[in-house]
Amino acid sequence: DADVTQTPRNRITKTGKRIMLECSQTKGHDRMYWYRQDPGLGLRLIYYSFDVKDINKGEISDGYSVSRQAQAKFSLSLESAIPNQTALYFCATSPTGFGYGYTFGSGTRLTVV
Amino acid sequence: KQEVTQIPAALSVPEGENLVLNCSFTDSAIYNLQWFRQDPGKGLTSLLLIQSSQREQTSGRLNASLDKSSGRSTLYIAASQPGDSATYLCAVRGRANGYKLSFGAGTTVTVRA
Repeated sequence: DADVTQTPRNRITKTGKRIMLECSQTKGHDRMYWYRQDPGLGLRLIYYSFDVKDINKGEISDGYSVSRQAQAKFSLSLESAIPNQTALYFCATSPTGFGYGYTFGSGTRLTVV
Repeated sequence: KQEVTQIPAALSVPEGENLVLNCSFTDSAIYNLQWFRQDPGKGLTSLLLIQSSQREQTSGRLNASLDKSSGRSTLYIAASQPGDSATYLCAVRGRANGYKLSFGAGTTVTVRA
């Protein structure tokens, strides 16, 4: 099983719908992150959580919300999806401390029509 | 805010040639730099993690160097193979971005058989 699992892998939804992307990890890491990737723009941070009670906005949090249900689970919600939220979404984890690398999930491809 | 740039955006080489991928960053107060590989539509696979105190890191045919004072890192891939075709992403973790990863837009590599 993958260390960081994202579900679903692919999703097509309609404008205005609420959608939730889920992430779970078996790494035992405290820190979890949500990124989105758009062609030519690299990855941009949406939200991050340093532990269950600590959630912070990233660069592009407007239109998104998150929930950290447990140390191992971090969900991203689009309350009312719009077409420019069409992107590849990644969940990542890292241990506490700054000397460590990140581990990424396989991504969720979201299309809003 | 940390800005990360990768040039060129795309690179095509014949099989067997050595690859040189460049990454530059604007704030030298970093903790580490991580190189990732991404296959089309897939997740990110960590290749190398270089701490700020290190000058280089090696894994098999891959070697990454870091010159923190000039804000540069270079990823070398020796004797390229068609299987090396992918997008390579550089990400920097440091004080300027709140100790979270900031990504470059990537270099897409094609190795021709």
